[in-house]
Amino acid sequence: DTEVTQTPKHLVMGMTNKKSLKCEQHMGHRAMYWYKQKAKKPPELMFVYSYEKLSINESVPSRFSPECPNSSLLNLHLHALQPEDSALYLCASGDGHFGGYTFGSGTRLTVV
Amino acid sequence: DAKTTQPNSMESNEEEPVHLPCNHSTISGTDYIHWYRQLPSQGPEYVIHGLTSNVNNRMASLAIAEDRKSSTLILHRATLRDAAVYYCIPKQGAQKLVFGQGTRLTINP
Repeated sequence: DTEVTQTPKHLVMGMTNKKSLKCEQHMGHRAMYWYKQKAKKPPELMFVYSYEKLSINESVPSRFSPECPNSSLLNLHLHALQPEDSALYLCASGDGHFGGYTFGSGTRLTVV
Repeated sequence: DAKTTQPNSMESNEEEPVHLPCNHSTISGTDYIHWYRQLPSQGPEYVIHGLTSNVNNRMASLAIAEDRKSSTLILHRATLRDAAVYYCIPKQGAQKLVFGQGTRLTINP
């Protein structure tokens, strides 16, 4: 299995809702990443997990809460989001060193 | 993070070679040069990476200048499926992957 699977593919949520994005990989990669991508812009790094521990938080607001339950799974819990948080959320995995990252197709999030 | 400069956009014709340039004059000696591309409505896709020598794989070739201040991604025979945004990213070891603006490549039939 050489894929990163993200669910759901699309999500519409209200500003008072709580939802979660899920990411799964079975390539044995020990580093996993969340990126946010606005339309016509490059992906921006949000969080890095290395060996299931949070190693980088790029000053992301607390309404985004990441979780890494095990080495294959990465979640992003969402609460009290704003309309400007609407974006494509991308998950990636990698060996953290010299190899390439593998990205999922993303979850397109709309906050209403 | 090393700063990169890429053309905002490029255009080429199907079945012709494409040379995508990238300037990274502040690259450190241990930064690898990574290239990713992002097709419409998809996540980024790893293309190739190298340190000093030119590199080839099934997708593309990477030509790295002797002073390492620039590199060129070469698509030998472009197809319509190669239309994407191409990102050049210097990266050292376990450092985070930071995307610049990239080059939007259009392929004409």
